[in-house]
Amino acid sequence: NAGVTQTPKFRILKIGQSMTLQCTQDMNHNYMYWYRQDPGMGLKLIYYSVGAGITDKGEVPNGYNVSRSTTEDFPLRLELAAPSQTSVYFCASRREQGGQPQHFGDGTRLSIL
Amino acid sequence: QKEVEQNSGPLSVPEGAIASLNCTYSDRGSQSFFWYRQYSGKSPELIMFIYSNGDKEDGRFTAQLNKASQYVSLLIRDSQPSDSATYLCAVNQAGTALIFGKGTTLSVSS
Repeated sequence: NAGVTQTPKFRILKIGQSMTLQCTQDMNHNYMYWYRQDPGMGLKLIYYSVGAGITDKGEVPNGYNVSRSTTEDFPLRLELAAPSQTSVYFCASRREQGGQPQHFGDGTRLSIL
Repeated sequence: QKEVEQNSGPLSVPEGAIASLNCTYSDRGSQSFFWYRQYSGKSPELIMFIYSNGDKEDGRFTAQLNKASQYVSLLIRDSQPSDSATYLCAVNQAGTALIFGKGTTLSVSS
């Protein structure tokens, strides 16, 4: 049972490069989320999606883009990487019925140098 | 701005003691409440969730909710060194993402 799968686990980027963080879930959850977590801090919501074709901004969306073409996949795109985007990124999903809990992937540790 | 507040700690307890972790939230419309445990370098994992006022017990863990006081807590009985981690409180209204506190670091000494 895979749950939420994130790739890659680690990545080092140079300033100005772009990349896509992949997230896929096999639980048929309609809600998916991207968070970032800086050292000693809580989770901050970047973007979320309530279903295929529907996305919305969270608390810290600047510098990121997302798409949701299928129920399973929710990639996060960094277009022009900046040092401030050095963080650990977590993808999560849940079934929206009665406030079900979110299930997290293992995270992607990203460094921008 | 919806907020979830937690004491960052560290909270230090001896092995076998009860650890009490507290959380307050600002949005009275919050409907569901979650406790996640996060080990260093790992992703958050769900410990408990609670929707109704009162207590909910699961093994050594008890979640307590008081909506009138906008307060939710987690008690860990018979604390073990393996319980040493950061505990994240999260709340949400129906249809929105969870809002997380910054977490409380728990250290259980043997």
